[in-house]
Amino acid sequence: DAGVIQSPRHEVTEMGQEVTLRCKPISGHDYLFWYRQTMMRGLELLIYFNNNVPIDDSGMPEDRFSAKMPNASFSTLKIQPSEPRDSAVYFCASSKIGTENYGYTFGSGTRLTVV
Amino acid sequence: QKEVEQNSGPLSVPEGAIASLNCTYSDRGSQSFFWYRQYSGKSPELIMFIYSNGDKEDGRFTAQLNKASQYVSLLIRDSQPSDSATYLCAVVNYGGATNKLIFGTGTLLAVQP
Repeated sequence: DAGVIQSPRHEVTEMGQEVTLRCKPISGHDYLFWYRQTMMRGLELLIYFNNNVPIDDSGMPEDRFSAKMPNASFSTLKIQPSEPRDSAVYFCASSKIGTENYGYTFGSGTRLTVV
Repeated sequence: QKEVEQNSGPLSVPEGAIASLNCTYSDRGSQSFFWYRQYSGKSPELIMFIYSNGDKEDGRFTAQLNKASQYVSLLIRDSQPSDSATYLCAVVNYGGATNKLIFGTGTLLAVQP
């Protein structure tokens, strides 16, 4: 199993530009989560999907953020327009209800820097 | 009050000692509890989970849960320099058939050789 795959690993962009982060969950997992991690706020849940349907997007900071999951093997998190305060590490994680521990498997993350 | 609280540390222990990491949570409906380890620049990695009151041991790691006190801890015996990392506590309430983990901000552990 290749695990949760995120791309790109690093992204540097200028303020105002559109940024798209990508995630491929583990095959067979029915939950997908997007988290943002900063030193000040730790890991914050932005949005999560169950069977490709968004369930809770209350953590999305504002309308500049959007997420989609068009199929079971792909999700995107888009920021438009980007701002310097969006600089963080963005993690995607997947999980499957009914597995022994219900724990998440995280991807390697995307380190976003907005200048 | 934060949903999951941890002392940010750093917690410094000498090699071979027992490291004790603590976590409290506010939601009494929380049902499962997880400890993740995160090395600098890496993603969180699940190391332990517990859902019943008491202790659960796995190698050098022991998770302890006290639901009445809303308290969960992680003990690391015979600490090694390779254990130096940030340890994240996470809890989940499956009410409504959700699967949403809430994380604490983590405790930085430094094991001194």
